[in-house]
Amino acid sequence: QSALTQPASVSGSPGQSITISCTGTSSDVGGYNYVSWYQQHPGKAPKLMIYEVSNRPSGVSNRFSGSKSGNTASLTISGLQAEDEADYYCSSYTSSSTLPVVFGGGTKLTVL
Amino acid sequence: EVQLVESGGGLVKPGGSLRLSCAASGFTFSSYSMNWVRQAPGKGLEWVSSISSSSSYIYYADSVKGRFTISRDNAKNSLYLQMNSLRAEDTAVYYCARDRDGSYSLDYWGQGTLVTVSS
Repeated sequence: QSALTQPASVSGSPGQSITISCTGTSSDVGGYNYVSWYQQHPGKAPKLMIYEVSNRPSGVSNRFSGSKSGNTASLTISGLQAEDEADYYCSSYTSSSTLPVVFGGGTKLTVL
Repeated sequence: EVQLVESGGGLVKPGGSLRLSCAASGFTFSSYSMNWVRQAPGKGLEWVSSISSSSSYIYYADSVKGRFTISRDNAKNSLYLQMNSLRAEDTAVYYCARDRDGSYSLDYWGQGTLVTVSS
């Protein structure tokens, strides 16, 4: 299975906004609204931040938002805070594989 | 409170076998698809296997197909991963995770169990 493409790293200062991209194909990101985003702090299990492109689970800050355009999904974090520093992964349903879901390679967010 | 607790990890030699378990509580286990996701040291997440609520649908990553078997016992609220013919590249933390609503969004995760394949 081919992973979705994410930037290896992004950074921003407290209070700023950043966007993490997740690029796939029409067989995954572009073809279905089943994109999720996860946050993972070192040594911890991942946490679901966004599901079905733009929906936030209960308890997730509204500073986190998701969107999609064509084959690229995006996670935007506004009002950056120190605790946002973590790894972020996207995932998508895919019709092009025997396993119907694929992760992105992950993006390390550094809060300067 | 939803809880997922993995067990069964450890050190195993290449070619060996291991069976992971995931004990679920705090929700109606039989109503949810479940998944195994792994993370090699310092690497990203890799979806390993999925099983539907009634075990009707089962999927595997190409990297483990033919070697790993996912199963569940709804009466015992438990998820399993039988891992055979283990390789060094299977070394990872293995997480079990609940599918929120069948859309492959994983809303609850266990703490993970470490599998180390080494001679």
